[in-house]
Amino acid sequence: DVVMTQSPLSLPVTLGQPASISCRSSQSLVYSDGNIYLNWFQQRPGQSPRRLIYKVSNRDSGVPDRFSGSGSGTDFTLKISRVEAEDVGVYYCMQNTHWPRTFGQGTKVEIK
Amino acid sequence: EVQLVESGGGLVQPGGTLRLSCAASGFTFSSYWMNWVRQAPGKGPVWVSVINGDGSTASYADSVKGRFTISRDNAKNTLYLQMNSLRAEDTAVYYCARDHASDIWGQGTMVTVSS
Repeated sequence: DVVMTQSPLSLPVTLGQPASISCRSSQSLVYSDGNIYLNWFQQRPGQSPRRLIYKVSNRDSGVPDRFSGSGSGTDFTLKISRVEAEDVGVYYCMQNTHWPRTFGQGTKVEIK
Repeated sequence: EVQLVESGGGLVQPGGTLRLSCAASGFTFSSYWMNWVRQAPGKGPVWVSVINGDGSTASYADSVKGRFTISRDNAKNTLYLQMNSLRAEDTAVYYCARDHASDIWGQGTMVTVSS
């Protein structure tokens, strides 16, 4: 199975400051069609996961533009340009290039 | 509005059975692969199973293979997960999620396996 490793696991951030989460995969996530199927999810306390980013850098509808994704191959990053109170929660990366689909262990974002 | 609503969770004894349902609305259900994903208390999500649009192809995580069966009824816009021989480690919130990249999730249904 492809192992997804996130860092840090805990991220205290000051309101209005940037935040960055890393996700590394144990194998390349480049699919045979040339696409990279790497997604980012946000899970607010008591809620279901919500997809924010798909195929590395594409924002889902309704996702604020302060969220951005980047990366290639095995190394990916989710950035929040200016953290707001509503961004508190756990963030997960997930790959759907290989079977079985696998998630990172999660990064908990909290306000300092 | 695109929506997934799970039901069927509850408390069951080890070795017992449970059938989960996921009612879909707001999109052409039969056009999408559908997943079950579970999340144990305090842990991250774990993919469980997937089924293609017409129900002819399914895949399972090794941890549930031979015990769980995914199916769908496109006439009823409903996804199912039949869970047999349940174990304590199957305790989790079970979510259905749409498509390979899980773009839409339901609210989840809690399954507790305990004596």
